[in-house]
Amino acid sequence: AAGVIQSPRHLIKEKRETATLKCYPIPRHDTVYWYQQGPGQDPQFLISFYEKMQSDKGSIPDRFSAQQFSDYHSELNMSSLELGDSALYFCASSFGTGGSEAFFGQGTRLTVV
Amino acid sequence: EDQVTQSPEALRLQEGESSSLNCSYTVSGLRGLFWYRQDPGKGPEFLFTLYSAGEEKEKERLKATLTKKESFLHITAPKPEDSATYLCAVQEGAGSYQLTFGKGTKLSVIP
Repeated sequence: AAGVIQSPRHLIKEKRETATLKCYPIPRHDTVYWYQQGPGQDPQFLISFYEKMQSDKGSIPDRFSAQQFSDYHSELNMSSLELGDSALYFCASSFGTGGSEAFFGQGTRLTVV
Repeated sequence: EDQVTQSPEALRLQEGESSSLNCSYTVSGLRGLFWYRQDPGKGPEFLFTLYSAGEEKEKERLKATLTKKESFLHITAPKPEDSATYLCAVQEGAGSYQLTFGKGTKLSVIP
C-alpha cells in the first residue's frame, strides 16, 4: 500500500540558510500534518492543512511557513535556520477532518551546521 | 502540566513475558486516543485509534483499551521484534487536528 512520501530524507544546511521539505500524502488523503521531533523527544505538532487550507497551528516558529497545493502535497519552508532547528521532521496524512487515523512518513532529518 | 503521561519510561521484558504500558491523559473532550510504534530514526507507525471509554482493539500480540482517564497497551507473549518505543497521543476537542504525544515507553524484549 502507498505510504506518505517525504523528501529529501536527509538535509544538511548552514545557519541562516533556507530549507524546503516536501510531503506527498497517501492517495485520497486530504489532510496533512507536520511534526518536529528533536533527539530523544516526542513529536511536536507544527501545523496542519485540510483541503489546502490551514486547519490548525501549533508551535511553528514565524521563520517557518507551509502550504498545501492543489494536488494535496505539502511543503514546509524554513528560513534563517538555527542550530536548534536540527531535528527529524515528519509529515503525516489522513482522510477527512480530525479524529481519523494519521499515517506518518519516514521523515526528513535536518542537520543545521 | 503534561496532558499525556506514559509509564513506565522504559521496560525490559523477557521474550514471552506479558505486560502492559500505561497512558494517562488530562484533556477534556477527547476526540481520539492514538497508539503508535516508533523505531529509531523512523516515522511513527500507526497501531490503534480509540474513541470512547470501554473500547478495545487488538492486533496480533497487542491489545489497546480505553477508560475515561487512561489507556493501556497490553502486550501478550512479546517477541524481540516488538522492541520499539510506543507512543500514545491524544486529539482534543472539536475542530482540533493536532496530536499531543506522550514521551513514550521504550520497550526492550530480550530473547
